[in-house]
Amino acid sequence: EVQLMESGGGLVQPGGSLRLSCTASEFTFTTYWMTWVRQAPGKGLEWVAHIKQDGSQKYYMDSVRGRFTISRDNTKKSLSLQMNSLRVEDTAVYYCARNGWGRYFDLWGRGTLVTVSS
Amino acid sequence: DIQMTQSPSSVSASLGDRVTITCRASQGVSSWLAWYQQKPGKAPKLLVYGASSLQSGVPSRFSGSGSGTDFTLTISSLQSEDFATYYCQQANSFPFTFGPGTKVEIK
Repeated sequence: EVQLMESGGGLVQPGGSLRLSCTASEFTFTTYWMTWVRQAPGKGLEWVAHIKQDGSQKYYMDSVRGRFTISRDNTKKSLSLQMNSLRVEDTAVYYCARNGWGRYFDLWGRGTLVTVSS
Repeated sequence: DIQMTQSPSSVSASLGDRVTITCRASQGVSSWLAWYQQKPGKAPKLLVYGASSLQSGVPSRFSGSGSGTDFTLTISSLQSEDFATYYCQQANSFPFTFGPGTKVEIK
């Protein structure tokens, strides 16, 4: 089955770090840009970061630039998000998403919850 | 950054009704616009891309239109499975941004 599966979420204190992973199945991972999108509890969707097929281009939303790092391992069909200096406002469900046409999110994982709280 | 707005923020409708949701961009995005449907506790689902192209497997009662700054998503005859929240997203330039969502509820 064509799918994405996130892992790595959990409870972390403000200032702490967490690494999210996303594993792709049954599609040619190297063909697609990949993205992380988050959704705070009861709120809307927020684009977080974007990475090109070969990892040579990366883009971030302003509030996470310098704290979060998106990366990928094409040999393992895996996408990652290293999150440092976490803030309470980073609390959200984090989704990984495949980019159709490099811009639209045509396949989503189920999401993983990150809670930043003391 | 390009700001996206949607109206209405919520709409109450009955089965079989025609529902139209509007999305407006703070600057032109050409046709780089998508619509997503999200049900509670689930991941979003892509419905329309390129402003008017229907994603594979999406029922034909959904349609999108517009270009530049003004866009619409229309559900021609509302079905029970369509009660959800709908988001627009601009893909013209980084950061990609979403609208705040429109919740379609049962009247």
